[in-house]
Amino acid sequence: DGGITQSPKYLFRKEGQNVTLSCEQNLNHDAMYWYRQDPGQGLRLIYYSQIVNDFQKGDIAEGYSVSREKKESFPLTVTSAQKNPTAFYLCASSPGYSVLLGAFFGQGTRLTVV
Amino acid sequence: GENVEQHPSTLSVQEGDSAVIKCTYSDSASNYFPWYKQELGKGPQLIIDIRSNVGEKKDQRIAVTLNKTAKHFSLHITETQPEDSAVYFCAASIGFEKLTFGTGTRLTIIP
Repeated sequence: DGGITQSPKYLFRKEGQNVTLSCEQNLNHDAMYWYRQDPGQGLRLIYYSQIVNDFQKGDIAEGYSVSREKKESFPLTVTSAQKNPTAFYLCASSPGYSVLLGAFFGQGTRLTVV
Repeated sequence: GENVEQHPSTLSVQEGDSAVIKCTYSDSASNYFPWYKQELGKGPQLIIDIRSNVGEKKDQRIAVTLNKTAKHFSLHITETQPEDSAVYFCAASIGFEKLTFGTGTRLTIIP
């Protein structure tokens, strides 16, 4: 089955630790995105990448880092510099270099800082 | 950057009635307006979209209208069914590169 796989589904982190969220897609999509979802704030864009080895900051990139070494993979690292990391994180991909044909979302990772 | 406002934040309608969700956007350069549906525990899914050169688009029970002059667009769901209960997000895009989402509407269909 083609799709986007995010792992793990639930993640707990101690304050001061970095943590990496995985996102893999087998849809052969060029573009990939990371969004953060908080209650009452909708989805906010963290980073996005349209091609391998290139990515751009979204609206709330501070405290996050990404890499795009392979077309299929776009991992997100939540660093200790992120002030309020507890949230639901969604990865998405889209065909071509645009969202015109739709962004396909994974099932999300819920990160809790303890 | 682009800013998208969405209203209402919650909406309850009787099964069979219609539901309308409204969004406004700030940047007149926005040219693509999709709507996404998010069911519990899942990622959002595209349900309908409209481009700036079109005023209205329908797909069975759902429709989207766009008023470029007023910079607002709306989602209309007719003959609502229990499976329509979900959170709905509007979004806007300039040049199709990325999406700016609204804050979401939780729609509840009352049997």
